[in-house]
Amino acid sequence: EAQVTQNPRYLITVTGKKLTVTCSQNMNHEYMSWYRQDPGLGLRQIYYSMNVEVTDKGDVPEGYKVSRKEKRNFPLILESPSPNQTSLYFCASRSGGQSYNEQFFGPGTRLTVL
Amino acid sequence: AQKVTQAQTEISVVEKEDVTLDCVYETRDTTYYLFWYKQPPSGELVFLIRRNSFDEQNEISGRYSWNFQKSTSSFNFTITASQVVDSAVYFCALTYNSGTYKYIFGTGTRLKVLA
Repeated sequence: EAQVTQNPRYLITVTGKKLTVTCSQNMNHEYMSWYRQDPGLGLRQIYYSMNVEVTDKGDVPEGYKVSRKEKRNFPLILESPSPNQTSLYFCASRSGGQSYNEQFFGPGTRLTVL
Repeated sequence: AQKVTQAQTEISVVEKEDVTLDCVYETRDTTYYLFWYKQPPSGELVFLIRRNSFDEQNEISGRYSWNFQKSTSSFNFTITASQVVDSAVYFCALTYNSGTYKYIFGTGTRLKVLA
């Protein structure tokens, strides 16, 4: 089954404790992206990657890091999480360089930073 | 500036009513793409439709229809004879080809369809 998976689905952590949210897709998609969803703000793009070793900032990259060492994986790293990073996070992927193609989203990761 | 505005935060309708969700976009680019996604109460994001800037044809898919008007920079979504299962948050999104491959989402419209 074609899908985007994220782990963990739920995470409660404390300020300053480094964490990684994993994202993996099995559709051989070139493009992958991370979003955060906050009430009243919709989805905002954090980082995206056009292909292996090619990443770029979205609109809200501060406090986050990403890497794309393999085509299928695109982990999101919070080196020193803060309470304002409490949010619902989505990973997405789409095929090729065509922006016309739709994105497929993972199930979401709900992160709480105390 | 690239921007997507969904001015309707929440809409409530009674089942079988028609409802239109508004989406207004801003972009400097002549080539761009617009999307609608649905987020039901279960939380996943489901793709509904896409449009490119050169295709102003309206589209109908069952009870759903989309009206794309470049003259007003709008890409509105109409649900005819709404059903309770249509209750969800709906997002409009924009992406463009100008050397970056960002996506801009609107803030979403929460639709409540009452039985």
